[in-house]
Formats: sequence, structure tokens, C-alpha cells
Amino acid sequence: EAGVTQFPSHSVIEKGQTVTLRCDPISGHDNLYWYRRVMGKEIKFLLHFVKESKQDESGMPNNRFLAERTGGTYSTLKVQPAELEDSGVYFCASSVRTGGLETQYFGPGTRLLVL
Amino acid sequence: GESVGLHLPTLSVQEGDNSIINCAYSNSASDYFIWYKQESGKGPQFIIDIRSNMDKRQGQRVTVLLNKTVKHLSLQIAATQPGDSAVYFCAENKAAGNKLTFGGGTRVLVKP
Repeated sequence: EAGVTQFPSHSVIEKGQTVTLRCDPISGHDNLYWYRRVMGKEIKFLLHFVKESKQDESGMPNNRFLAERTGGTYSTLKVQPAELEDSGVYFCASSVRTGGLETQYFGPGTRLLVL
Repeated sequence: GESVGLHLPTLSVQEGDNSIINCAYSNSASDYFIWYKQESGKGPQFIIDIRSNMDKRQGQRVTVLLNKTVKHLSLQIAATQPGDSAVYFCAENKAAGNKLTFGGGTRVLVKP
């Protein structure tokens, strides 16, 4: 079974540019999460989709970040315009609830560097 | 690497010895706890989890202990191997289906 995949693995952009990150969850997983770790900090939650609906977007830092999951399959996270403090590693995770428990499986992450 | 600038506590352990990694959590309402392992260039990989109605759970070479009185979680790795070298994160959430709150991580270095 394929795991969570993310694209690109690395992205280097200049301040003010736009970057779009993609996440393909494990097939059949309705829950999709975005997290990020910026330099010097711990991994922080950004938002949670259930199928195509945003269940919780309390972790989104500001309106420069836009996440979508049209059709309830893959998800994109767009940063526009990117700022220096957006540099970090962006992780996607997916899960399916089984018997009340839910293990989140993480992708390899996208390493974003804003210059 | 992505850990540059992230000042992680480091546990240095001899190959074959047992490792104990500790984690304190703050939310007394959390009822589900997970340990993840992250190797360089990869995403967090699930190791083992435990629900708040348990105080111990064992897996293959790993044991998680939960002390709700002092809000403390630990991961024990038996007979540590070079492949266990990684950063280990504890995570918690209030109920299945919610966002995870991660700890800062502990780097484990296994000496041959």
C-alpha cells in the first residue's frame, strides 16, 4: 500500500513569490492534516480536512495560506505571497478512523526555503 | 538538515543498551498519546500509541508508559540498534480525529 506522498520534496523561492504544495493521502483515508515545523520550533498543526470539508483550520497562521481538497482526494496548500518566516518543513498526514482510534500517517514533507 | 537551529535534547546510548525517552504533556484532557520516530529527510513514522485508560503498552522492542498523575509519557527501546538513531516525538490529542500536539523531540544517537 502506498503511503502519503508529497510534492515537491524541496522548494526554494524568493520572498513575495507563490508556492503550491501537494499532498496525496493514503487511498481511502478521509482525514487529511497539514502540519509544519519552522526552524527552531516544534511541529505545529495547520488544518484538518474530512473529505473535502475543512474540519479545523485553527492552526493556519494567516490569510496568505490557502488549503484546498477538491473532490476529497489530494490536497494543496498554497502560500501567496511567501515570507521569510514561512521557511520550514510542511508535513501532510492522513488517517482513517477504526474502532474509535485514528493513527495519522505522515508523508516525507516538503522543505520550503524562502529567500 | 531540517533540525538545524532546533536545539533538541540528545540521548546518546551504546548499541545494545536500553533507551528511555521522556515527554511531559500539558493538556490533562488529552486521551490519546503517540510516539513518532523521524529519520533525517523523512516524515514522522508511527511507533506506538496508548490511550489514557492504560498505563502501559508494549510493542516490538518498544514500551510506552503513561503516568497521568504527573502528565508524563515515556518510550523505552530495548536493545537499541544503530537503526534506532533518529529524532523521537511524543504527540497527544484530546480525542481521536483531532489535531496532534507535538512535543519538541529528543534526538537519539546510537554509538556502535
